[in-house]
Amino acid sequence: DIVMTQTPLASPVTLGQPASISCRSSQSLVYSDGNTYLSWLHQRPGQPPRLLIYEISKRFSGVPDRFSGSGAGTDFTLKISRVESEDVGVYYCMQATQFPWTFGQGTKVEIK
Amino acid sequence: QVHLVESGGGVVQPGRSLRLSCAASRSDFRNYAMHWVRQAPGKGLDWVAGISFDGTYEFYAHSVRGRFTISRDNSKSTLYLQMNSLRADDTAVYYCTRNGYYYFDDWGQGTLVAVSS
Repeated sequence: DIVMTQTPLASPVTLGQPASISCRSSQSLVYSDGNTYLSWLHQRPGQPPRLLIYEISKRFSGVPDRFSGSGAGTDFTLKISRVESEDVGVYYCMQATQFPWTFGQGTKVEIK
Repeated sequence: QVHLVESGGGVVQPGRSLRLSCAASRSDFRNYAMHWVRQAPGKGLDWVAGISFDGTYEFYAHSVRGRFTISRDNSKSTLYLQMNSLRADDTAVYYCTRNGYYYFDDWGQGTLVAVSS
């Protein structure tokens, strides 16, 4: 199984400042079709997750442009350019390149 | 956006069975693969099972293979998860989620399954 490892596990941030989350996979996420099926999700307390980014860097419909994704192969990053209060919660990376699909442990973002 | 509504959760004794349902509000349900993802209390997300758009292919996490069965009825726009031989570590909120294209683009609110004697 592909293991997804996120760092940090907790990230206290100041409103208006940037934040960054790293996600590393135990093997390459490049699929046989040449695409990399790495996505990022955000979960607020008491809510289901919602999709932010798919295929490393494509923002899902309605996601603010302060969110961006980057990376390749086994190393990926989610960046928030200027954190807003609604961005608190837990962020997960997820790979859909190989079954079983797997998630990172989650990174909790909170305001300082 | 597709709206997904899970039902069927509850408290069940170890070793017993439960069937979860997920009703989709749109008729294009039949065009998408669907999955179940669970979240134990205070824990992260855990993929459980997935099924192709037409029900031909099923995929399972190691921890549930042989005990859980995913299925769908496209005529009713409904996804199911039959859970047998339930264990305490199956306790979680179970979400149904739509596979947009190798990503989960819509989620239900979840239904809680608590396995306890």
